[in-house]
This record gives sequence, C-alpha cells and structure tokens, in this order.
Amino acid sequence: DIVMTQSPDSLAVSPGERATINCKSSQTILHSSNNKNYLSWYQQKAGQPPKLLIYWASTRESGVPDRFSGSGSGTDFTLTISSLQAEDVAVYYCQQYYSSPYTFGQGTKLEIK
Amino acid sequence: EVQLVESGGGLVQSGGSLRLSCAASGFTLSDHYMDWVRQAPGKGLEWVGRTKNKANSYTIEYAASVKGRFTISRDDSKNSLYLQMNSLKTEDTALYYCVCWIAGAAYWGQGTLVTVSS
Repeated sequence: DIVMTQSPDSLAVSPGERATINCKSSQTILHSSNNKNYLSWYQQKAGQPPKLLIYWASTRESGVPDRFSGSGSGTDFTLTISSLQAEDVAVYYCQQYYSSPYTFGQGTKLEIK
Repeated sequence: EVQLVESGGGLVQSGGSLRLSCAASGFTLSDHYMDWVRQAPGKGLEWVGRTKNKANSYTIEYAASVKGRFTISRDDSKNSLYLQMNSLKTEDTALYYCVCWIAGAAYWGQGTLVTVSS
C-alpha cells in the first residue's frame, strides 16, 4: 500500500500570509504512460464533505480561488495558499489515486493566527 | 452539474446489515469510476472501495478492512451506486460518501451516516 504522510499535522497562519502543506508518498505516484501525478488535494470545512481543490497534483478545479496552488512530482507534493483568508480555515487532505488502495494523508488542520 | 445523493444510513446493531445507495445525476454513470469513502467521527478519510467503468469491465476493488463483508454494485440504468454492508462492526461507524471520478477530478456527495451499536 502507498502511505501518504502530510506535514505538519496542524498549522496557524496570519491572514494574508502564505500557508504551505506538504504531502509525501511512500512510492512514486507519477505514471510513466502519461507523465501525470495521481494526486488530489481536498479542503474539508467543519460539517461539510471534502471539496476538491487540486487534481493531477497541480490542476486547479474550476471555481477554486487562484490563491490555491499545487506543486511537486514523484513522491513529494505541496499545497500552497498564497494569501490566507479567514474562510480557508479547514482540514486539508491529500489523496493518491495511482494504485489501490487509494490512500489519504492523515490531514492538516489549518487555523488563523 | 454533477450531483451525488447518498441514502440508506441509520442505526444498526453489530453483526447486522445495511445497504447504502447513491443517486447520481449530471453525468453518465457507466462512463466513470465510482468510489465509496468513509469518515469516522472526528477522524480522517478512509477509502472503502471502487467500481471502475464499463470500459474497464466494472472491475471492483476493496479496502482490506471491508473485503469479504462489503459489496459494491451499480445499476447504470438507474444511475445508481450501492454499498451492501454485512457483518457490521462498531468500527464501521462513519459518514459514508459516494465519490465520482471524471477525468482525474473527484466529486463528492454529502454523505450518509452509519452508526453501529454494540
């Protein structure tokens, strides 16, 4: 099984500052056939289902603010929020969809400082 | 617009059974992979299982924690996905989400709550 490890577990950032969340997979999730990284990022606010932010590691979902960006390849990935807004308070998860079981990271709780 | 509506959750005793449904709209079910994902109260996300699309022979995969107890099925004519859960355990208590995959992007329903009592 591919283990997804996020860091940090929690993070407090001042409004307007940058927030960075990391996700590391235990083996590559870059598919050689199409050169795509099979990684998604989700945002989950309290009492709501997860919301897709980023897929293929760096493709922003339609309607997601451009302050959210994804980067990385192979085994190391990053979600960056360039200028934190109050509404970004949530738990963020990464997920690999390269191979079964399609595992999630443990989540990173993002708070406002 | 993709819409997924789960139903069928409830309270069941340990060892019992429950069948969840997911009504899909806004896309053709047979063209896409569908997952079930669960979230225990206050915990993270756990992938439960997947049914691939018609082009991939509707291949089904399960997490080790549910294999042999849970069964995923689909009825493309009704645009519906199902999760039959047997031999339920208290650790199966969770919010169960239906997820549709379209071109690498995952779309989630609101979830249905399953509570297994001892």
